[in-house]
Amino acid sequence: KAGVTQTPRYLIKTRGQQVTLSCSPISGHRSVSWYQQTPGQGLQFLFEYFSETQRNKGNFPGRFSGRQFSNSRSEMNVSTLELGDSALYLCASSLAAGGADEQYFGPGTRLTVT
Amino acid sequence: DQQVKQNSPSLSVQEGRISILNCDYTNSMFDYFLWYKKYPAEGPTFLISISSIKDKNEDGRFTVFLNKSAKHLSLHIVPSQPGDSAVYFCAASASYNFNKFYFGSGTKLNVKP
Repeated sequence: KAGVTQTPRYLIKTRGQQVTLSCSPISGHRSVSWYQQTPGQGLQFLFEYFSETQRNKGNFPGRFSGRQFSNSRSEMNVSTLELGDSALYLCASSLAAGGADEQYFGPGTRLTVT
Repeated sequence: DQQVKQNSPSLSVQEGRISILNCDYTNSMFDYFLWYKKYPAEGPTFLISISSIKDKNEDGRFTVFLNKSAKHLSLHIVPSQPGDSAVYFCAASASYNFNKFYFGSGTKLNVKP
């Protein structure tokens, strides 16, 4: 079974631009969560989607948004990029929503904002 | 506000000895805890979990201990192997919101041959 895939793996953008990251979950998984990883901060929860609906949201500004498609693939968008948005963005998929289910992470997209 | 904290950014252990990684949390509503292992250039992979109804869970060389009164959990790796060298994250969630996980900042474990 293929794992979680994320595209692109690396991205360089300049301040003020916007970016869209993509995540394809494991086949059959309907829940996709997004995390931001920065040095010293660990993984910070951005949001979770299940069946095309956002179920949970972390404490990030409205510049961070996402969506999920009917095939469970998810995209994350960051508008008006700031230098502090430079981070590794990870998505994770799981079978269930609201259940004690382990998440499977993708390799991440490394975003650098200059 | 970090609700899950891993106060040791790094740990170095000799092969064959025990590795103990610690994690503290502040939210008393957390009742499900996980440990993830992360190698460079890869996403974290699930290692072991524990729910608050237990105080210990074992899986091979990995054991997680939960002390609810102290809001503390630890991961023991015995015996440690060089292949265990990675960054370890602990994560916590509350049963009313299982898929919203709070992660610690990670501990980089180095197991020396």
